[in-house]
Amino acid sequence: GQNIDQPTEMTATEGAIVQINCTYQTSGFNGLFWYQQHAGEAPTFLSYNVLDGLEEKGRFSSFLSRSKGYSYLLLKELQMKDSASYLCAVMDSNYQLIWGAGTKLIIKP
Amino acid sequence: DADVTQTPRNRITKTGKRIMLECSQTKGHDRMYWYRQDPGLGLQLIYYSFDVKDINKGEISDGYSVSRQAQAKFSLSLESAIPNQTALYFCATSDRGRDTGELFFGEGSRLTVL
Repeated sequence: GQNIDQPTEMTATEGAIVQINCTYQTSGFNGLFWYQQHAGEAPTFLSYNVLDGLEEKGRFSSFLSRSKGYSYLLLKELQMKDSASYLCAVMDSNYQLIWGAGTKLIIKP
Repeated sequence: DADVTQTPRNRITKTGKRIMLECSQTKGHDRMYWYRQDPGLGLQLIYYSFDVKDINKGEISDGYSVSRQAQAKFSLSLESAIPNQTALYFCATSDRGRDTGELFFGEGSRLTVL
């Protein structure tokens, strides 16, 4: 079966760096997405990786290793507004998105 | 105004009632989706449509039906609601022309079935 694994919850301190991991087993691979979702709100797109390596976008970076079925989202200079759930999703060989359950990130002052 | 609009935003209903959730978009995207979100679970795809004449079942379509009335409108119906359909429902769109297939979500419709 297809599976996306990510930690359920993480806690970090304002101003620090946090890395949220995602491992996947899917039928084929056509890209990996990270979305941010604040409580009670819609998910919003953060990043897309289809090739191995690091994609940097401001304070957020996303890394992909296709051979390991692994990605991480790196958040630097954490701010209180970064408190949210972070959703990992993989597009399989049929171009269908398979979603992880999300990682709830709690930022403490 | 939001590019992807869902109505109603909140609805409480009783078991056995018919419910319709509506979605409209001004993004001009061909592709529209209905997802369900439950606590502790990933988003689950209910139905998707790549154009007005194309409707496809997702992974959890049982108990649901959809209608694509126009490119901009995609409705989700629960013919006879049951309590385990209590969830947060999201409509989303994507642009066929974009390489990433990024999804744009509506604000969500919270449905409670008593």
